[in-house]
Amino acid sequence: ELKVEQNPLFLSMQEGKNYTIYCNYSTTSDRLYWYRQDPGKSLESLFVLLSNGAVKQEGRLMASLDTKARLSTLHITAAVHDLSATYFCAVDTGNQFYFGTGTSLTVIP
Amino acid sequence: DTEVTQTPKHLVMGMTNKKSLKCEQHMGHRAMYWYKQKAKKPPELMFVYSYEKLSINESVPSRFSPECPNSSLLNLHLHALQPEDSALYLCASSQDFSKQEQFFGPGTRLTVL
Repeated sequence: ELKVEQNPLFLSMQEGKNYTIYCNYSTTSDRLYWYRQDPGKSLESLFVLLSNGAVKQEGRLMASLDTKARLSTLHITAAVHDLSATYFCAVDTGNQFYFGTGTSLTVIP
Repeated sequence: DTEVTQTPKHLVMGMTNKKSLKCEQHMGHRAMYWYKQKAKKPPELMFVYSYEKLSINESVPSRFSPECPNSSLLNLHLHALQPEDSALYLCASSQDFSKQEQFFGPGTRLTVL
């Protein structure tokens, strides 16, 4: 069974600081997605990573994919309060689509 | 139109009721999905329809019955639910089933009394 684990599960960080969320998965895949979810809301697509070495950036968030290590990272630069949310990675193997455990991020002043 | 819509937004039902959740997309996507999400947990896949045919049923109890009347619509019929079925139900669609980004609807918050 495919396992997708995120670290950390909970993250409290100060505004202006940097941090990285990790997504490890247990099977071969070259497609990985990052989503954001605000409380009580649906999932918003952030990044689509389609190959080994893919790197994408949007504002203060940057995502990367290392398919050989089965690892994706979501890096937060100079955090602001608006980034507070739960972040999910999701791995797509072609016939399986599994979400990671989620990282609940709180950015404090 | 790049949206997935879901109705209703909120639903409260008793254990003996029959209700339906509806999902619609007009992006020409041929795969549609139902997920269940409990608080502070990731979404769990329930059903996948590909080209209007049920292709995945993740061992979901029969009190949940999906239906895909056409390529734009997806329903989830609910009957004799249990309180533990209370959750956020999310619909998603993708261009095709295999290796395609999924776009999510706003969800239906279901409470079973």
